[in-house]
Amino acid sequence: AQRVTQPEKLLSVFKGAPVELKCNYSYSGSPELFWYVQYSRQRLQLLLRHISRESIKGFTADLNKGETSFHLKKPFAQEEDSAMYYCALSEWHFGNEKLTFGTGTRLTIIP
Amino acid sequence: DAGVTQSPTHLIKTRGQQVTLRCSPISGHKSVSWYQQVLGQGPQFIFQYYEKEERGRGNFPDRFSARQFPNYSSELNVNALLLGDSALYLCASSALVRTYEQYFGPGTRLTVT
Repeated sequence: AQRVTQPEKLLSVFKGAPVELKCNYSYSGSPELFWYVQYSRQRLQLLLRHISRESIKGFTADLNKGETSFHLKKPFAQEEDSAMYYCALSEWHFGNEKLTFGTGTRLTIIP
Repeated sequence: DAGVTQSPTHLIKTRGQQVTLRCSPISGHKSVSWYQQVLGQGPQFIFQYYEKEERGRGNFPDRFSARQFPNYSSELNVNALLLGDSALYLCASSALVRTYEQYFGPGTRLTVT
């Protein structure tokens, strides 16, 4: 069964410091991975997906199949980055999809 | 567009009762997915519907059911409520059957007493 692990429930980083949110996955097939973010009092929203290889709000994430990881990184943290971050994995079989989320990491940027 | 809307916002039910939650997707979106989010956990996938057909199902008991209407809105039904069903229920819509980009609603907070 597929599984997504986010080992840190809480992460505090000083403003201007690098940020890395860890995500490891367990899946036998070819994974489709995403990062979702939830800012205070806002809805859950897509931050980025590995398939598009884009950088959103300065964040990037590289899929490492050897280490089965999809860590989220940003070189210089900003106060507005404080939020709840969820890693998610999509499993697709014969036209049916199942999306599995990790337990989330609450990122706090210290001014 | 108001985005994905869900009703009601909050709901309190008693054990053994039945509940129906509603979701309206973004205009033009044909896929609706339902998630349960227990406090302190990530969203857990319950169902996906696309073009009124079930296209994905998570590990939930048969007490959970859903359907999608011709206008692509959806209902999630939960029968014989248990205390453990207390959670935030999220609905998400996407344009395609593959949920490359889902748009989430604000959720319905269900409390079972």
